[in-house]
Amino acid sequence: KQEVTQIPAALSVPEGENLVLNCSFTDSAIYNLQWFRQDPGKGLTSLLLIQSSQREQTSGRLNASLDKSSGRSTLYIAASQPGDSATYLCAVRPPLTQGGSEKLVFGKGTKLTVNP
Amino acid sequence: DAGVIQSPRHEVTEMGQEVTLRCKPISGHNSLFWYRQTMMRGLELLIYFNNNVPIDDSGMPEDRFSAKMPNASFSTLKIQPSEPRDSAVYFCASSNGRGWETQYFGPGTRLLVL
Repeated sequence: KQEVTQIPAALSVPEGENLVLNCSFTDSAIYNLQWFRQDPGKGLTSLLLIQSSQREQTSGRLNASLDKSSGRSTLYIAASQPGDSATYLCAVRPPLTQGGSEKLVFGKGTKLTVNP
Repeated sequence: DAGVIQSPRHEVTEMGQEVTLRCKPISGHNSLFWYRQTMMRGLELLIYFNNNVPIDDSGMPEDRFSAKMPNASFSTLKIQPSEPRDSAVYFCASSNGRGWETQYFGPGTRLLVL
């Protein structure tokens, strides 16, 4: 059974700092991996999606990497801002050959606070 | 597009009562997902539909939970009877059914069962 772990559970940094959020998964057989952002009282918003054949994806100040063989992904946030404060969740999708191919398995997230 | 719409946004009920949560997916999307989020267990998939047909309901906790999708623009998640341990935030999400694209989440329904 696929399990996704995110460490740390919470992180507090000063504005302007570069930071890395970590995600690990137990089964390297994945179709893709996504990073989501969740603001308090809101739903999830997709930030980056990495296909299993890709190594990284970038969007603005965000860069996500994927090392499938080691079961790890990182989300790098450059020059953090108070508006980046949110919970960041990692999710993996099983291969299309397995049942429930649209299922996402989520980590519990890392709560990020960027202090002005 | 208005995005995924969920109602109600908040629900407070007493143990034993029936609870119905509603979801309108994004127009044109043919996959719909119901998730539950708690502090202890995180975000868990309860059930998902493709073209209005339930594909995987292995996450539905027990027979007290049921979900329907009578047409492409509407789905319900029903809990009968409700229990305090059902208190959680319930999210609906939709996608276009292509495995390589993301799911779009609604704002969630915060349920409290007293």
